[in-house]
Parts: sequence; structure tokens; C-alpha cells
Amino acid sequence: NAGVTQTPKFQVLKTGQSMTLQCAQDMNHEYMSWYRQDPGMGLRLIHYSVGAGITDQGEVPNGYNVSRSTTEDFPLRLLSAAPSQTSVYFCASRHNWEQETQYFGPGTRLLVL
Amino acid sequence: DQQVKQNSPSLSVQEGRISILNCDYTNSMFDYFLWYKKYPAEGPTFLISISSIKDKNEDGRFTVFLNKSAKHLSLHIVPSQPGDSAVYFCAASAGDNTDKLIFGTGTRLQVFP
Repeated sequence: NAGVTQTPKFQVLKTGQSMTLQCAQDMNHEYMSWYRQDPGMGLRLIHYSVGAGITDQGEVPNGYNVSRSTTEDFPLRLLSAAPSQTSVYFCASRHNWEQETQYFGPGTRLLVL
Repeated sequence: DQQVKQNSPSLSVQEGRISILNCDYTNSMFDYFLWYKKYPAEGPTFLISISSIKDKNEDGRFTVFLNKSAKHLSLHIVPSQPGDSAVYFCAASAGDNTDKLIFGTGTRLQVFP
């Protein structure tokens, strides 16, 4: 198993540009989520999904869109990037019934100029 | 408003000694707590958890203590090893809403020889 994979590893955007951060898992996990990590802020939940076709907002959803068309993939879209979205983004997945065994991807470092 | 707080941004401990990482929370609805460990350029990995019905949970060198009246939990690592050097995050969830984890800001532990 590859686990949770994220692409790209690093990205530089200009303000107003759009992009999609990719996340995929091959463990047949129902639950997937996106976090951002900022200095002094810890990890904050952006959006999550408990299964294909189902998504919900987390703590900091503004400026981000998600969709879950398959069990494996959970892309995060930035429609119009802002400098405040400069952060490290982590995708995670787990089975719905396993609270603690959440597997995180290696992260995507995003810089918005 | 930071609901989960890790007031010590860093901790330095000698190899073989005990490391104690602290975490405070403000939301009395939190009833499940987790600790994650994160190495640079990697995603967090689950370490240990505790339910509010317990006051202690042990797994090898790692023990988590929960003091509900003080809204405080701590992670003890005994004996500390250089490989334990990482950032440690505590996280909490409330009731049935286990889909949303609230993370603390992290404590960087350095174990020196």
C-alpha cells in the first residue's frame, strides 16, 4: 500500500490563481480530511468527507472547495489563491469507525505571493 | 479561541530521562484525546489516545494522563530516546462528532545524548 499520497510537494502561486491539491489513498478508507498547518496555530481542519459524495466543512473552510467522487480521491481546490492561504496542507484518511488511526500524507507546502 | 493549548513550544530532555508534554483544553464537551508525533517534512503519526472515562493509558514507553477536573492531559515518555525528537501535537474531539479533531499548537521535543 502506498498509504496517503499528496501532490504536489511544493507549489508557488500568484494571488488570484487557482489550483487543486491532490490527495489519494489506497486503503479503502471512508473518512478523508484536509488540514492546514500554520506557525503557532497547530493543525486546523478545512473540510472532511465520510464517504464518496459526502463532504462537510471543518474549522476553516473559507476559500476552499472539495468534492469526493470516489473513495480513493479527495482533491482540495483553491479557486482564487490569497497570501493568507500560504501554509502546509495535510490530507488524512481513516476508517469511519477508527477514531485514532488516522493516516496523514506527507504534506503540500504552498506559497502564495 | 484556542480550545486546545500546548503552552510549551519546546522542551529539551536528556536521553534516558522522562519527557513530560502538557496539554490544556477549555471545552468541557471534549471526551476523547489523542497525541500525534510529527517529524520534519512528514505528516503526523498517531501515538496514543485516551477516553474521558479513563485517567491513564499506557503503551510501552508512552503514558497519557487525563485530569478532567483540571482539563489537563500530559504525555510521559520514559525513557526518552533521541529518536523521540519531534513535534508532538495533542488533539481532542467531542461526543459523537469524532469527525472533527481540534489540535493544539504543538511542542517540539529535543532529546539530547
